Amino acid sequence: GDSVTQMEGPVTLSEEAFLTINCTYTATGYPSLFWYVQYPGEGLQLLLKATKADDKGSNKGFEATYRKETTSFHLEKGSVQVSDSAVYFCALSEGTGANSKLTFGKGITLSVRP
Amino acid sequence: ETGVTQTPRHLVMGMTNKKSLKCEQHLGHNAMYWYKQSAKKPLELMFVYNFKEQTENNSVPSRFSPECPNSSHLFLHLHTLQPEDSALYLCASSHLDRKVNTEAFFGQGTRLTVV
Repeated sequence: GDSVTQMEGPVTLSEEAFLTINCTYTATGYPSLFWYVQYPGEGLQLLLKATKADDKGSNKGFEATYRKETTSFHLEKGSVQVSDSAVYFCALSEGTGANSKLTFGKGITLSVRP
Repeated sequence: ETGVTQTPRHLVMGMTNKKSLKCEQHLGHNAMYWYKQSAKKPLELMFVYNFKEQTENNSVPSRFSPECPNSSHLFLHLHTLQPEDSALYLCASSHLDRKVNTEAFFGQGTRLTVV
């Protein structure tokens, strides 16, 4: 079945550092890929998405490129801020209509120190 | 109101109590979901409703009982829970489309503590 694998955490960075969070996936078809973010005490919010190979999703300075050849969707940000401290989830959606299925990775906690 | 709204935000209940969690979506979506998020565990999908019909029940104990009276509302009825059921319960909705994969939109969750 489908699966999403995220790098082990937690990750602690200093403000303005470069961020990479790895995500790889296994799917039988042509999934859409997502990154969600969960701030303390909140639900999950969609951060960015990509629906086909070579698409780049971007939002709030974060970027991720859909790489079919490596089945990856790594999240990057050039300069993190304290306010980026949160839990980040990689996810994929495969199938359409009633067969649509959303699969999440385990999530990784990012802490950014001033 | 916009998006997905969950009430209450926090709930403390005894093991013999009966309570209900409520979720409402204002996005015109046709699918709704309940997830359980426990500390240091992956997100667990509990129930899926597509077009008001339950299509998935991931081996959830019968002390959790979902109800979806229409495509905008979803309830999770709770009775005789155990302390290990304490978690953040997240509701989500999405629009199922025959042509594209779609993302889910989440509520802020209900933090449940069973004492």
